[in-house]
Amino acid sequence: GAVVSQHPSWVICKSGTSVKIECRSLDFQATTMFWYRQFPKQSLMLMATSNEGSKATYEQGVEKDKFLINHASLTLSTLTVTSAHPEDSSFYICSARTDRGQYGYTFGSGTRLTVV
Amino acid sequence: AQTVTQSQPEMSVQEAETVTLSCTYDTSESDYYLFWYKQPPSRQMILVIRQEAYKQQNATENRFSVNFQKAAKSFSLKISDSQLGDAAMYFCAYTITGTASKLTFGTGTRLQVTL
Repeated sequence: GAVVSQHPSWVICKSGTSVKIECRSLDFQATTMFWYRQFPKQSLMLMATSNEGSKATYEQGVEKDKFLINHASLTLSTLTVTSAHPEDSSFYICSARTDRGQYGYTFGSGTRLTVV
Repeated sequence: AQTVTQSQPEMSVQEAETVTLSCTYDTSESDYYLFWYKQPPSRQMILVIRQEAYKQQNATENRFSVNFQKAAKSFSLKISDSQLGDAAMYFCAYTITGTASKLTFGTGTRLQVTL
């Protein structure tokens, strides 16, 4: 149980276009989801906390107009990278907190974004 | 602000041997959780073990165990009988309790397992 599905697993887009990444909790309701960015050989950097039915909370230094987060339902959060540029190329991972069994966090499988 | 420190960027262990990964953290909270996550080359984050701060007993999960020293704010991971499949990045993480509480990750330790 407590599965988080993330799509797409990889995407290549042209500079200036927008890309949407979906994160779904398959067998539980997630009022809060988290979006991370990970550069090669580095740790996960929290970008924002996504709250169902309200505005996301962004970490310092993260452009909220570039990284649009929508959490319209208890099972779906989306991250849209707007007007993508090559420097936005990275690995993006979503996560949801779960109380299934024990307190913990479940992660999606990640999305590798390449902007050309 | 809470911080998590992993001072070993890379570690190596021979198959069937034991290795310990270090983690220290800084917090003023008394109620929190600590985690070790494994990230293999697939980059899927996999929970290895968790520890609740109010529990004095060290958590164990099969070959994985922790040494939780609350006063010293230390949370090391011991992997016994290492296997080739244990090779991965290992991240120590911290969170306070609460619905919207976020995970704070350490910088990670890359574990190599040799024959």
